[in-house]
Amino acid sequence: GESVGLHLPTLSVQEGDNSIINCAYSNSASDYFIWYKQESGKGPQFIIDIRSNMDKRQGQRVTVLLNKTVKHLSLQIAATQPGDSAVYFCAEIRNRDDKIIFGKGTRLHILP
Amino acid sequence: ETGVTQTPRHLVMGMTNKKSLKCEQHLGHNAMYWYKQSAKKPLELMFVYSLEERVENNSVPSRFSPECPNSSHLFLHLHTLQPEDSALYLCASSQGGGGSYEQYFGPGTRLTVT
Repeated sequence: GESVGLHLPTLSVQEGDNSIINCAYSNSASDYFIWYKQESGKGPQFIIDIRSNMDKRQGQRVTVLLNKTVKHLSLQIAATQPGDSAVYFCAEIRNRDDKIIFGKGTRLHILP
Repeated sequence: ETGVTQTPRHLVMGMTNKKSLKCEQHLGHNAMYWYKQSAKKPLELMFVYSLEERVENNSVPSRFSPECPNSSHLFLHLHTLQPEDSALYLCASSQGGGGSYEQYFGPGTRLTVT
């Protein structure tokens, strides 16, 4: 069935290096995507979003890239810090009135 | 703080117990959601309320019963649960319902069914 998923369940990155977290989606009709961050003991927190008419969007230290050709979404975190340790979810929305479908999540470990 | 609070944060209950989870949002949003988060599985949407009316029920068993008395409060009443219902239950709110994307989540209630 259609789903939103993540390639890697865990990712370990040296502090100060850049992190890239990947996500695949299966529905080419999806028109809106979100990345969430979930720290231990907390609920998911909105990080950044991107619409399907865009290829790239930048925030503070984060960049989301959307490749509609291969239905791939990625989150880049620049100069990772200990506070970036969390589980990161991508989410897909088919249209403005549909529910969110989340991926399973990737756990990001920051090594000292 | 996200402006969404949940109580209790942890709950252990037997299969014959009846308990309720509470969610409150202080953001002035008009839509609220219940999600279930199990280990190694994606977030599962359970219920959606928009303007205090239930607009979505994702085939959730009747042992879970939601209640939305006003736009700021959401409850999840639990009865005769099963061990597989043990999970983190997350509440969220948004401005605009049905599929509004910028949802604000509470910290969740960690539920253990024994």
